[in-house]
Amino acid sequence: QQQVKQSPQSLIVQKGGISIINCAYENTAFDYFPWYQQFPGKGPALLIAIRPDVSEKKEGRFTISFNKSAKQFSLHIMDSQPGDSATYFCAALYNNNDMRFGAGTRLTVKP
Amino acid sequence: DAGVIQSPRHEVTEMGQEVTLRCKPISGHDYLFWYRQTMMRGLELLIYFNNNVPIDDSGMPEDRFSAKMPNASFSTLKIQPSEPRDSAVYFCASSFYGADGKAFFGQGTRLTVV
Repeated sequence: QQQVKQSPQSLIVQKGGISIINCAYENTAFDYFPWYQQFPGKGPALLIAIRPDVSEKKEGRFTISFNKSAKQFSLHIMDSQPGDSATYFCAALYNNNDMRFGAGTRLTVKP
Repeated sequence: DAGVIQSPRHEVTEMGQEVTLRCKPISGHDYLFWYRQTMMRGLELLIYFNNNVPIDDSGMPEDRFSAKMPNASFSTLKIQPSEPRDSAVYFCASSFYGADGKAFFGQGTRLTVV
């Protein structure tokens, strides 16, 4: 049932490095692509999102790159910090609110 | 607003028992979602409601699972009878039309079936 495939499952990055998480989808009905961040013991929270008519969106150290023809999108975290250590989920949305998540990536940023 | 409120936070039950998870969405939100999170399968959408009406329950694993939303401020997810493989964290989330993918999640209920 995994409609959105996410990789890697886990990622370890040194402080100051770039974290890259990739996602792919098949259903062309998806029309919005959010990323969620989840800290231990908490529910996921929206981090950043992109529409398929935009190839890149940047908010601070977080950037989404989107390749519509390849049906792939990725999250880049620049200058990664230990406080960024969390689980990240990509998601895809259609019918305005029907949202499907990837399996998640556990990011650890070492000091 | 206090956000999405789920109860209980933790539930330990014996196999075969009935389990009821509760959710209070954010006031004014017209969409409510139930997700299940496990290490193996990540975040799975079980069911979602729009204006208290179930829209898509294709993610509900089997007939042992049922969900209701009797009014705009309350929803339940029931498992009867529960099995060890139901052990997971269950999240409730709410949203509104035009939110563009912004769903507000509760803290989750960690269910352990022994």
